[in-house]
Amino acid sequence: EPEVTQTPSHQVTQMGQEVILRCVPISNHLYFYWYRQILGQKVEFLVSFYNNEISEKSEIFDDQFSVERPDGSNFTLKIRSTKLEDSAMYFCASSDDRVEENIQYFGAGTRLSVL
Amino acid sequence: LAKTTQPISMDSYEGQEVNITCSHNNIATNDYITWYQQFPSQGPRFIIQGYKTKVTNEVASLFIPADRKSSTLSLPRVSLSDTAVYYCLVYNQGGKLIFGQGTELSVKP
Repeated sequence: EPEVTQTPSHQVTQMGQEVILRCVPISNHLYFYWYRQILGQKVEFLVSFYNNEISEKSEIFDDQFSVERPDGSNFTLKIRSTKLEDSAMYFCASSDDRVEENIQYFGAGTRLSVL
Repeated sequence: LAKTTQPISMDSYEGQEVNITCSHNNIATNDYITWYQQFPSQGPRFIIQGYKTKVTNEVASLFIPADRKSSTLSLPRVSLSDTAVYYCLVYNQGGKLIFGQGTELSVKP
């Protein structure tokens, strides 16, 4: 069964450092997403990406965040200068072109720990 | 996006059938009802989706009454590995998914 893969599974970084979280969406999917989940809290939407551009972003997704699809398979989330409050699980998701059904398939996540 | 209400937690025992009901009184005509499952430290996993009546797959069944103002996720004969958080989402187009707190199901031996 096709799946979304994320690397690394755990990233530890110092406050102020840049991190790049990587995702390989399901190959024939067209829509890509990033979500985050702070420990013990709800899954929160960050950004959606379609046709090589951001289609929607949340208030959380400020100027410190950026996304990129550098090639035909990878989808990355960059945090330019990490803060302690960026510590969370980050999930990548993808969906196909059945917009109304919008079934999103999630990766296992990257645990980001900012020290 | 329709607001959903579901119980915060439920307890069950192995082998029992578990039914989790979700209320979505302001569901729109084009909205789909979708359930996700999440294990600790893992991403949400799609379980089942429906529009009306009953949908069944290898994992669960989804019952939707005619007025579509609620839905019930049915897990047959749960095991310890079904302990997870279950989310009910209602939406009608692509874009962000909005997750609530979900229902924390605890299956005991």
